[in-house]
Amino acid sequence: NAGVTQTPKFQVLKTGQSMTLQCAQDMNHEYMSWYRQDPGMGLRLIHYSVGAGITDQGEVPNGYNVSRSTTEDFPLRLLSAAPSQTSVYFCASSTRDSSGNTIYFGEGSWLTVV
Amino acid sequence: SQQGEEDPQALSIQEGENATMNCSYKTSINNLQWYRQNSGRGLVHLILIRSNEREKHSGRLRVTLDTSKKSSSLLITASRAADTASYFCATDAGGTSYGKLTFGQGTILTVHP
Repeated sequence: NAGVTQTPKFQVLKTGQSMTLQCAQDMNHEYMSWYRQDPGMGLRLIHYSVGAGITDQGEVPNGYNVSRSTTEDFPLRLLSAAPSQTSVYFCASSTRDSSGNTIYFGEGSWLTVV
Repeated sequence: SQQGEEDPQALSIQEGENATMNCSYKTSINNLQWYRQNSGRGLVHLILIRSNEREKHSGRLRVTLDTSKKSSSLLITASRAADTASYFCATDAGGTSYGKLTFGQGTILTVHP
C-alpha cells in the first residue's frame, strides 16, 4: 500500500516556467488537498477537493491551479512560477471514518524558483 | 493566517524527561490533530482529539483539549532521542471545511541523549 505518492521530489524552475506536481493516492479517499510549507512555518492550504470533479480554494491559491478528474489523482499546476513559490509542497488525502478524519501526507516536493 | 499558535517555539530536554507543547486556536473546531515532522520529511499523524473529548492517550502521548480556552497540549512522557522532530497542531473546523486543516507554526523538540 503506497499511500500518498508525490512526484517529483525535487525541482528547480526558472521564473515564468510552468510545471505540474503530481499526487496520487491508493486508499480511495474522497478528500485530497495541497499545502505549502515555508521555512519555520506550519503548512498552509493551497487547494482542496472533496471528490472527483470538485475543487475549492484554500488560504493561498493564487498562482496555482488544480483539477480532480479521478479519485486517485490531484495534480497541482504552477502557471507561471515566481520566486515566492519556492517552498516545500505536500499533498494529503483523507476520508471520514469512525475515528474522525485522519489525514495522510506525502513525503513532499521541494521546489526552487530562480 | 495561522490559526494555531504553538508554545514554546523550541524545546530542548534530556532523554527520559517529559516534553509538553501547547497549542491555541481562534475559531470553533470539529477536531484537533497533532503531527510530527522529522527534518526533511513529510508529516506523520500522531493523534486526533474530537471537540467533545477532553483527553486522549496513545502510548507515550497524552493530548488534552480545552474548548473553552481554545487550547490543547501534547505531552510526551519519557522522551527519547528519536522523538527529536517538529511537532504541529492542526485544527479541522468540520462542516463545509471538513478535512481542511489549519496548522500552527510548530514546536521544535530536541531530545539530548
